[in-house]
Amino acid sequence: DAGVIQSPRHEVTEMGQEVTLRCKPISGHNSLFWYRQTMMRGLELLIYFNNNVPIDDSGMPEDRFSAKMPNASFSTLKIQPSEPRDSAVYFCASSTRGGGYGYTFGSGTRLTVV
Amino acid sequence: GQSLEQPSEVTAVEGAIVQINCTYQTSGFYGLSWYQQHDGGAPTFLSYNALDGLEETGRFSSFLSRSDSYGYLLLQELQMKDSASYFCAVRELANQAGTALIFGKGTTLSVSS
Repeated sequence: DAGVIQSPRHEVTEMGQEVTLRCKPISGHNSLFWYRQTMMRGLELLIYFNNNVPIDDSGMPEDRFSAKMPNASFSTLKIQPSEPRDSAVYFCASSTRGGGYGYTFGSGTRLTVV
Repeated sequence: GQSLEQPSEVTAVEGAIVQINCTYQTSGFYGLSWYQQHDGGAPTFLSYNALDGLEETGRFSSFLSRSDSYGYLLLQELQMKDSASYFCAVRELANQAGTALIFGKGTTLSVSS
């Protein structure tokens, strides 16, 4: 198994531009999570899906952030327009339903907004 | 709401034993997990405790006391490669449809020779 695959690994963009982060979960995992990590705030849960359905998006910081999961093998996190304070590492993770037993994280996308 | 408290930094020498504590406050609780993250890497799962007591996995052990809202990660026979950040995380019921992990701020462990 290739694990959770995220792309791109690094993204540098100018303020105001649209950014799209991508994630392919592990096959058979039916829960998918988007986290953001910064030094100041640590690992923050942004949104998660069960069986492709968004369950809780209360962690999404603003309307500029949106996430979709059109099928079981793909999810996107979009920021439009991006701002410098969005600079962070964004992780996608997947697990089986009730995955307190273990999440598998992707390698993350390091986003820099200048 | 929820909060997790763990020390920000711990230092130790090779071969030593170190304990990283975690206290939590949540509105609903299903279990305590521990994750390891090396610099520049992704968090990786170490252990999960849903019931009180000690779980042992090789050099690492994890303990939970639900009545005290407290747990710890015990690392034995420390090696240089154990230098990393360690996160405790609680599995909390968000709504009837599912749960998600909420992470503490992490403890940076530095192991020296």
